[in-house]
Parts: sequence; C-alpha cells; structure tokens
Amino acid sequence: QQPVQSPQAVILREGEDAVINCSSSKALYSVHWYRQKHGEAPVFLMILLKGGEQKGHEKISASFNEKKQQSSLYLTASQLSYSGTYFCGTLYSGSARQLTFGSGTQLTVLP
Amino acid sequence: SAVISQKPSRDICQRGTSLTIQCQVDSQVTMMFWYRQQPGQSLTLIATANQGSEATYESGFVIDKFPISRPNLTFSTLTVSNMSPEDSSIYLCSVEKAGETQYFGPGTRLLVL
Repeated sequence: QQPVQSPQAVILREGEDAVINCSSSKALYSVHWYRQKHGEAPVFLMILLKGGEQKGHEKISASFNEKKQQSSLYLTASQLSYSGTYFCGTLYSGSARQLTFGSGTQLTVLP
Repeated sequence: SAVISQKPSRDICQRGTSLTIQCQVDSQVTMMFWYRQQPGQSLTLIATANQGSEATYESGFVIDKFPISRPNLTFSTLTVSNMSPEDSSIYLCSVEKAGETQYFGPGTRLLVL
C-alpha cells in the first residue's frame, strides 16, 4: 500500500522553510527520502530507521515518528537548488526489501 | 553508493516491437530492481531481478510482457515486449547494496509510436 505524502505541492521563496510529510497505515521499518529534478533520476537524501532517529543533510533533516508511522522532511532556509519533487520510499516491517514510493511532493523555490 | 549506467538513455520505437534495456553497476550489489515512471507520476516497481533465478513481478506486471534477466551481481536487462503507446514511460533500474539504501540509474526514456 502506497504511503501518503503531503502536501502535493509547495511554493517557497528562497530562505523560507518547508515540511513534507509521509504517512503509512502499515508498520514501518524504514523511510527513505529522495529528490528528483526534472529529467533526472531520483537522488538519495537520507534514511530513517525505526526508533525515532533524526538525521540531517546540509539544511535538510528528517524525523521518524514510530507511534504515528510517519516521517517528516524539514527543509530549512531553502535554496533554489532544493527545487524538485521529493519522494518518500517506505520499507515495511516483516516484508520484502523493495521500497514503496509515495506520490511525491513538488517543491518550487523562487528567488 | 553505486554508479549505475543504463542503455539506451532514450529510444523511439514502433508499436509491436520490443526493446531491451541494460543496467550495469560498478560493484556487486545484493538486489536489483526495475521501476516505471510515467511523466509527473511516482515510481512503480515492475519487478525484482534475482540473480540466478526468475524475477519476482509485482501485481499488474507479467513475465511475458517484461522479461528480465540477471546473469550476475552487476548486470540486468529488462525487455519491453510487443510495445504499445501505453508503454511510453521512463524505465529506471535501481540497486541496493547490503545494509544501504537504493540507488537509481539515470533512466531510459521510451516513446512508442
């Protein structure tokens, strides 16, 4: 079952913050975040493992709330280069190794 | 991480023909996957390519339409058979190294006329 991402799209000005959420109705083992620019392959950003661990990458960080089966991606002081579509990929507890991807969040950062 | 190449990068094909897409990784990986991505859409898993055995297909995808080979730990092929315009899409190979995440190849952009 596909995880639910929200919002579907967001438009920001440079320097503003954004949060992208990824929710699952099934127990999660891990959440993997990717960014895809137009015409390019998805690029791995970070992985969140079961346990509520929070990770960071430049000004992009993420958290994993095991109780809510939800992960959130935080983009702080956004830059033009952050524009793209963000996908969460989920691995479910006790299931096979393939990721199930959300529908994506299109992020546009304007100057 | 992993360096992944795909061939061809793009192609335009006629209805009823077949196209084989190659995926090559620079190091041995535990798992290889094939995804399809329609323009503006998410990534849909076609199948897991298993080394030395038949691929594992997801619901809605069958071996006769999408035969897959994986002769070793660094190479896989996906064939799109008897193509129709509905097969026009981006086909992506991805790999997982033991204990890591999935990394994606650059994709093959297919247009069927």
